Amino acid sequence: EVQLVESGGGLVQPGGSLRLSCAASGFTFSNYEMNWVRQAPGKGLEWVSYISGGGGTKYYADSVKGRFTISRDNPKNSLYLQMNSLRVEDTAVYYCTRGRYDSWGHLDYWGQGTLVTVSS
Amino acid sequence: EIVLTQSPGTLSLSPGERATLSCRASQSVSSSYLAWYQQKPGQAPRLVFYGASSRATGIPDRFSASGSGTDFTLTISRLEPEDFAVYYCQQYVGSQITFGQGTRLESK
Repeated sequence: EVQLVESGGGLVQPGGSLRLSCAASGFTFSNYEMNWVRQAPGKGLEWVSYISGGGGTKYYADSVKGRFTISRDNPKNSLYLQMNSLRVEDTAVYYCTRGRYDSWGHLDYWGQGTLVTVSS
Repeated sequence: EIVLTQSPGTLSLSPGERATLSCRASQSVSSSYLAWYQQKPGQAPRLVFYGASSRATGIPDRFSASGSGTDFTLTISRLEPEDFAVYYCQQYVGSQITFGQGTRLESK
């Protein structure tokens, strides 16, 4: 059974940093491209970042470019999101998602999400 | 950036009725890169359709999807109580993914 379990969320002050983790199981992690998607309270979905299976290709939404860094550790079956210079508008539930094997942008499995709150 | 606009914002229907949800793109989207998701309160989204008309695992056949170019549609032929949720369309092209703002399907 495919499982994605996020951790690392919490309360942080504006300008602070946080590192999210996602533990993957039930599939060959290195074979799949991964994404982070976020959802502000009561709002819609916003794609944040993508990473290829080997980790060599990364994409970012304009809203986080230069502040967030996506990475992965395939031997540990883990995905990460390093978030720096956090802003109030980064407050959201962050979901770890898996891209389909044949289409990286179709997200076939989602974790339960981890809440990041940026507030003073 | 391709903007996806969903309509209506909220759709109020009764169980057994037919639901038609619309997603319009600001420029042409390859149907291969269009997907639909369902999200229920307190839950993560769930993939419903990908490639515009390919049903995801476990999605019942009362759900169907179609469209091309800039206009895409998700149809639920006979609503069941568990179908009431928020539905998002989504596309990806190049190095970006964008979502529509969502349609809330509520029970009348």
